[in-house]
Amino acid sequence: DIQMTQSPSTLSASVGDRVTITCRASQNINSRLAWYQQKPGNAPKVLIYQVSTLESGVPSRFSGSGSGTEFTLTISSLQPDDFATYYCQQYNDYPITFGQGTRLEIK
Amino acid sequence: EVQLVESGGGLVQPGGSLRLSCAASGFTFSDHYMDWVRQAPGKGLEWVGRIRKKPNGYTTEYAASVKGRFTISRDDSINSLSLQMNTLRTEDTAVYYCARSGSFYRMDVWGQGTTVTVSS
Repeated sequence: DIQMTQSPSTLSASVGDRVTITCRASQNINSRLAWYQQKPGNAPKVLIYQVSTLESGVPSRFSGSGSGTEFTLTISSLQPDDFATYYCQQYNDYPITFGQGTRLEIK
Repeated sequence: EVQLVESGGGLVQPGGSLRLSCAASGFTFSDHYMDWVRQAPGKGLEWVGRIRKKPNGYTTEYAASVKGRFTISRDDSINSLSLQMNTLRTEDTAVYYCARSGSFYRMDVWGQGTTVTVSS
């Protein structure tokens, strides 16, 4: 199975900050990587797929980059609505696997 | 409106069975692979399995943790996805989400989830 490891597990930041979350895959996933945002009590929501393609309706302050086994999600200027948990996911091979999540909290 | 609505969750004893359903609306259900994803209390997301569409033979894939116990099926005539769960274990306790697999296989539409509790 492909293991997805996110860092950090928890991130404290303030409104207006630029934040980056890292996701490492245990093997090459051929750019088949997505990022999801989840708020408490809600279903996940896709933000980015194919490493860097922004889902329709997602604000442009979200961006993704990376290749091979290392990927990042960047939020350029945190807004109050962005405090949530973020998951990376690989869909290059079965089983589909998610990272353990990064909880983004208000400092 | 594109929508997925899960149902069928509840309390079941270890070793029991439960069938979850997911009703799709607002899109051409038969055009999409469909997934089940679960989330144990306070934990992260775990993919459960996928069913492909008719041109791909309705074939399925499962996580190792559920293979042989869970079965995913679909009925395109009524836009419905199902998850038959047998020999349930306490570790199957979770919120179960159905999700649409969109282009590039991202999970682009999710239901609100249905809660399954396995306990004696």
